Amino acid sequence: DAGVIQSPRHEVTEMGQEVTLRCKPISGHNSLFWYRQTMMRGLELLIYFNNNVPIDDSGMPEDRFSAKMPNASFSTLKIQPSEPRDSAVYFCASTMRGSGRDTGELFFGEGSRLTVL
Amino acid sequence: GENVEQHPSTLSVQEGDSAVIKCTYSDSASNYFPWYKQELGKGPQLIIDIRSNVGEKKDQRIAVTLNKTAKHFSLHITETQPEDSAVYFCAASIGGNNRLAFGKGNQVVVIP
Repeated sequence: DAGVIQSPRHEVTEMGQEVTLRCKPISGHNSLFWYRQTMMRGLELLIYFNNNVPIDDSGMPEDRFSAKMPNASFSTLKIQPSEPRDSAVYFCASTMRGSGRDTGELFFGEGSRLTVL
Repeated sequence: GENVEQHPSTLSVQEGDSAVIKCTYSDSASNYFPWYKQELGKGPQLIIDIRSNVGEKKDQRIAVTLNKTAKHFSLHITETQPEDSAVYFCAASIGGNNRLAFGKGNQVVVIP
């Protein structure tokens, strides 16, 4: 299995630009999570989906952030407009919830490092 | 909401010695406590977990202990090796086990 795939791995953009981060979860997983990692705040849960439906987006910092999951194999996290304080590593993770295969383990991608100048 | 704290933030140990990282949590309803290891440039990876119906779990050189009364759990790494150098995150389940709240991480450095 290829694992959770995120793109881009690195993005440098200027303040005000739109940023789109992409995630392909592990095939067969039904839950997907977006996390943001910074030195100051550690790993913060932004939003999670179950069966492509957003369940909890209370961690999304502002209306500038939005996430979609149009199908079971693809999700996007969009920041528009971006600001320097959005600079962080954004992780996508997936897992299988609510079945005999639910071990609780989250499988993380390698992250997208975003720098907003 | 759930608040998970880790101590110490940085830990240096000599190769072969043991390393212990402690975490505290606030939500008494939490029932699942995993530990993740993050190597440089990688995503966190599960190394061991424990559920609230047991007090200790061991997997080779790694063990986790849980004290639900005191709301803390610890990661123990014995006979540390240079490849154990990484950032370690503890986490606790929230919201009926569908979500995890992570601590801020511990940088463990194993000195050869």
